[in-house]
Amino acid sequence: EAQVTQNPRYLITVTGKKLTVTCSQNMNHEYMSWYRQDPGLGLRQIYYSMNVEVTDKGDVPEGYKVSRKEKRNFPLILESPSPNQTSLYFCASSFLGPENIQYFGAGTRLSVL
Amino acid sequence: RKEVEQDPGPFNVPEGATVAFNCTYSNSASQSFFWYRQDCRKEPKLLMSVYSSGNEDGRFTAQLNRASQYISLLIRDSKLSDSATYLCVVNGGFSGGYNKLIFGAGTRLAVHP
Repeated sequence: EAQVTQNPRYLITVTGKKLTVTCSQNMNHEYMSWYRQDPGLGLRQIYYSMNVEVTDKGDVPEGYKVSRKEKRNFPLILESPSPNQTSLYFCASSFLGPENIQYFGAGTRLSVL
Repeated sequence: RKEVEQDPGPFNVPEGATVAFNCTYSNSASQSFFWYRQDCRKEPKLLMSVYSSGNEDGRFTAQLNRASQYISLLIRDSKLSDSATYLCVVNGGFSGGYNKLIFGAGTRLAVHP
């Protein structure tokens, strides 16, 4: 089954404790992206990658890191989480090109205390 | 001004009603347009792409007016299962390699018996 898998689905942590949210897709997509969703703001792009070893900042990259060592995986790293990073996070992937549909993971609900 | 603006609703309609959602976007370089559906606390899923000539998928009709930078979604014969948040989505033009998606904050629809 074609899918984007995120883990964990739910995470409660404390300020400053490094964490990683994993994302994996099995559709051989070149493009992968991380978004955060906050009430009233819609989804905002954090980082994206157009292929292996090619990553770039989105609209709200501060406090986040990513890597793309393999085509299928695109982990999101919070080196020192802060309460303002409490949010719902989605990973998405697609083939390159504006017409291509992005498929989303089920989401990770993160609370930073 | 937000890049993609939608009326947040909620739209409360009875079963069988026809309901229309509107959306405006600011980037005239946007090339692709979509409506995504998001159920509570779940990932966005593509409802339909929006083409310049307008397109229909069963009870759903989408229209695009490039001159006015305006997108619409019409739902006929509303079902209880249509209750969800509808996200207007446009691609960001050249930004992000043409794959970047800009999301509206969503319009919430509640269909009641």
